Amino acid sequence: DSGVTQTPKHLITATGQRVTLRCSPRSGDLSVYWYQQSLDQGLQFLIQYYNGEERAKGNILERFSAQQFPDLHSELNLSSLELGDSALYFCASRASREPRGSPLHFGNGTRLTVT
Amino acid sequence: AQKVTQAQTEISVVEKEDVTLDCVYETRDTTYYLFWYKQPPSGELVFLIRRNSFDEQNEISGRYSWNFQKSTSSFNFTITASQVVDSAVYFCALSEGAGAQKLVFGQGTRLTINP
Repeated sequence: DSGVTQTPKHLITATGQRVTLRCSPRSGDLSVYWYQQSLDQGLQFLIQYYNGEERAKGNILERFSAQQFPDLHSELNLSSLELGDSALYFCASRASREPRGSPLHFGNGTRLTVT
Repeated sequence: AQKVTQAQTEISVVEKEDVTLDCVYETRDTTYYLFWYKQPPSGELVFLIRRNSFDEQNEISGRYSWNFQKSTSSFNFTITASQVVDSAVYFCALSEGAGAQKLVFGQGTRLTINP
């Protein structure tokens, strides 16, 4: 168990809808990362937050947004969903006090299916 | 830009055979970190090992070993006496730079161990 919790585990929704994925990092971890895993694109970095502030952005669509709250949990919001958004979405965390290049600890993911 | 290539999309071997998963990376930085992750059929991403660019020592952990060669920009992973439980998708990843924040993943190698 990595200590990173993601909910829900599965989500099925229709095109055009909006969903929210939730992530609770490991206790004490300040950094949260979101990744998308799809069959054709592999594991793609979406966005990183550190202690409530956005730190880095990857291949995140404008229809997607995220935030990190004062209690350090994070939410990834996906709107105007398309069939191609169907994927496994991972959240990961890393402690700020760990040495540079320390591993990311991943949650079990949320599998999103858009029909 | 950083890039990770896992040329082997799928590998299938019979139990007890040794198998090597290849990973080649590209980076312009002198400070970088390499990782291997395992994704079993259940879907979670499990951290296996980290290696920094200044440490070219090979590492062995039980049946697992890793060979890091800067001269060829490779970080290969060998499983000795493979077991059915080793069946998974294995990802090689790279992070670089002073911040060494996000990980860039290879496309993954699906390893199937047949009894």
